[in-house]
Amino acid sequence: EAGVAQSPRYKIIEKRQSVAFWCNPISGHATLYWYQQILGQGPKLLIQFQNNGVVDDSQLPKDRFSAERLKGVDSTLKIQPAKLEDSAVYLCASSVAGGNYEQYFGPGTRLTVT
Amino acid sequence: AQSVTQPDIHITVSEGASLELRCNYSYGATPYLFWYVQSPGQGLQLLLKYFSGDTLVQGIKGFEAEFKRSQSSFNLRKPSVHWSDAAEYFCAVGGLKNTGTASKLTFGTGTRLQVTL
Repeated sequence: EAGVAQSPRYKIIEKRQSVAFWCNPISGHATLYWYQQILGQGPKLLIQFQNNGVVDDSQLPKDRFSAERLKGVDSTLKIQPAKLEDSAVYLCASSVAGGNYEQYFGPGTRLTVT
Repeated sequence: AQSVTQPDIHITVSEGASLELRCNYSYGATPYLFWYVQSPGQGLQLLLKYFSGDTLVQGIKGFEAEFKRSQSSFNLRKPSVHWSDAAEYFCAVGGLKNTGTASKLTFGTGTRLQVTL
């Protein structure tokens, strides 16, 4: 079974530029999560999708971050414009369903904003 | 609000020695508790989880954890550590809200385990 795929693995941009991350969850997983992991901290949930609907985006900085999950499969997370404090690893995870079922994580995208 | 505290930022143990990583949580109802491991450059992998029932749970790679409601703790243990266990370990808490819907997972700040040969 293929795992959660993410791309790119690394990205370096200057502040005020825009960037997009892509995630392809495990086939058949209805729930998709985006987490932000700042160095030295645990992952923080940014947004949770159930199929193509948003379940929780309470911690997503909506003035600069956006995410979509068209057709309920893969997902894109965008930052525009980026700030220095957005430097982090962005993790995508998926699960069969919500409700604290086991989440499978991708390898993450390491973003550096200079 | 739910929260997780991992008081040890960094732990060093010798290969073959026993290991205990501490986790304390705060959650207003019955918690769901998890331990994840993260190797450098990798995503998180679930080691074990507790939902209900037996308070001693077994996980993968020889790890176990014990849920102690009175102490709000969910410590991770392994009787004999291998060099390949060197990684970052995260404790997380979730559960069901009063509405019956699931709350999001809240992670601790992690404990970095170093194993000396």
